[in-house]
This record gives sequence, C-alpha cells and structure tokens, in this order.
Amino acid sequence: QVQLVQSGAEVKKPGASVKVSCKASGYTFTGYYMHWVRQAPGQGLEWMGRINPNSGGTNYAQKFQGRVTMTRDTSISTAYMELSRLRSDDTAVYYCARGKWGEWGQGTLVTVSS
Amino acid sequence: QSVLTQPPSVSGAPGQRVTISCTGSSSNIGAGYDVHWYQQLPGTAPKLLIYGNSNRPSGVPDRFSGSKSGTSASLAITGLQAEDEADYYCQSYDSSLEVVFGGGTKLTVL
Repeated sequence: QVQLVQSGAEVKKPGASVKVSCKASGYTFTGYYMHWVRQAPGQGLEWMGRINPNSGGTNYAQKFQGRVTMTRDTSISTAYMELSRLRSDDTAVYYCARGKWGEWGQGTLVTVSS
Repeated sequence: QSVLTQPPSVSGAPGQRVTISCTGSSSNIGAGYDVHWYQQLPGTAPKLLIYGNSNRPSGVPDRFSGSKSGTSASLAITGLQAEDEADYYCQSYDSSLEVVFGGGTKLTVL
C-alpha cells in the first residue's frame, strides 16, 4: 500500500532553516507529483508547492517564493522541503501529499522559537 | 484570508443532512477547475473524501456526496453520525495553477 513517512519534529530558532523529508513507498515515486501543505496551530490548510519527482521541476506558491526549496532523491524515493529564514509564524505541521491527494504523510511539527 | 470561502461551522443532529458550501470565483472554481473535499479528524492528516467534484474514493461511505455549480461547490452529508464530527476543507486550483484551499468548516454533531 502507498505510504508516505515524514521525518520527525523539529525545533528551530528564528532565522534558521528546516528541511523535512517524505519517504514514499508502495508506488512508483517518479509517477506522481508530491505536494507540500502546512497547517498552523488551529488554522486551515495552506499549499506551499509541488515537485515533479521525475524531472525535479517545481512550482511554488507565490507566498513562499524565495524561501522554499523542494528537492527529491529518486534513488531512495524521498522528497524534501526546505524552508529558510524561519519566523515564529512558520510554526506549523508540514505535510507531504501524493499528487492525486489520496495519500498524505503523517505530518511533521516544526516549531520556531527563540 | 482563504481564496475559497467556507462557513466556519455547521451542525446537525444524528441522522440529519448537512451541507457545507465552498464559494470561489471565476479564476478558480468558476474557471472549470475540479474541487476536492477533505475530512480532518483532530490530530490527524486530512483524508480525501471527494475528488473531481463528485467522486468518492474507495472506502468513503455514500453518505458523502459532492457537487459543483458555477463558482461554488457543496459537500453533503446524509444520515449524520457522531464519527462525522471533524473539520472539512474544500480545495481547487486557480488560474496561476496554484492549489487553493477553503478556510475549513467545523462540523458538530449535536
């Protein structure tokens, strides 16, 4: 069965960067886009962008342009999302989701605090 | 401020029917882009409930149905059950191919 397993929780200081991983299994990794979505505490869902694991091509939400970088390593079926220049309002649960939206990772809590 | 507008909350008694609206514009839903719906239980990842406006993934009860008309979409839940109490989100795309979500609706089963 399709599984997306994300890396563990992170605590970062303002101004730092965080890199979250999403390891895929149960399907052909290069066959589906991978989306990244975040959810601040008590708030709604916010799309950050997507990566085409086959080509490495990316589309980022305008809000995150210049701060987010999505990459992948096809040899280990893993997608990555790196967010830089962290601020306190970046505190959120970050999810990866397979291109057709039917499968999501378990989420990774990123806490930004001094 | 979400691109798609949902009511913050809806409620209904067990067995009743409730609907959740999702209002967009001519640059997203009205442009013909599909609408998907998600159910999110507390502390868990969203679960795809309806895709392509009105299609249910395998395993989703037929008590859940979706529709789309013009610049809006709706999720209907019939035969409301206690386990349906959750947050519900609509999602579509806009003309810049960005993914857009509604702000979410909290369903309370009375």
